[in-house]
Amino acid sequence: NAGVMQNPRHLVRRRGQEARLRCSPMKGHSHVYWYRQLPEEGLKFMVYLQKENIIDESGMPKERFSAEFPKEGPSILRIQQVVRGDSAAYFCASSPNRQGPGTEAFFGQGTRLTVV
Amino acid sequence: DQQVKQNSPSLSVQEGRISILNCDYTNSMFDYFLWYKKYPAEGPTFLISISSIKDKNEDGRFTVFLNKSAKHLSLHIVPSQPGDSAVYFCAASAAFPSGGGADGLTFGKGTHLIIQP
Repeated sequence: NAGVMQNPRHLVRRRGQEARLRCSPMKGHSHVYWYRQLPEEGLKFMVYLQKENIIDESGMPKERFSAEFPKEGPSILRIQQVVRGDSAAYFCASSPNRQGPGTEAFFGQGTRLTVV
Repeated sequence: DQQVKQNSPSLSVQEGRISILNCDYTNSMFDYFLWYKKYPAEGPTFLISISSIKDKNEDGRFTVFLNKSAKHLSLHIVPSQPGDSAVYFCAASAAFPSGGGADGLTFGKGTHLIIQP
């Protein structure tokens, strides 16, 4: 049973370009969470999705960022017109149900985005 | 406004001794707490959790203690082993997020644990 798969592991983009980060949850998991970790910081919640639905995007910046989790295929975190401040590690986590007691989320290895 | 605080950026402990990592929180709505371990260039790995209805949860060498009145939890690792060297994150969540609270976990900044031989 493969774990949470994120790709690419490393992504370099020039300012103004678009970044697309992919997350394939564990088999049987339909709940996906995206987090961002800035240098020397903890992980910050961005968005929580179930298949085809955004449940909670309270942690997402209002502009340039979007996320989706289509019926088929991986979840995608999309950052348009990237700026240097977007440089961070982006982690995806998945769980079979909404995370809570007895239902911990499993994390992928992350995508390290560098904006030059 | 940091709702989960880990005030020690790093901690050095001798192999075989007890490691105690501390975490404080401010949001009284939090009712579920977790500890994650993270190696460089990897994602966080779930370690142990505790619900607010308990004050202690034990799993092998790892024990988490929760003091709700003090809004404080701690992770005890005994005996500490070299493979325990990693960054440890404390995280919390609320069963019913409200007031713009998130469905996801709120993380502290982490404590880098170094186990010395």
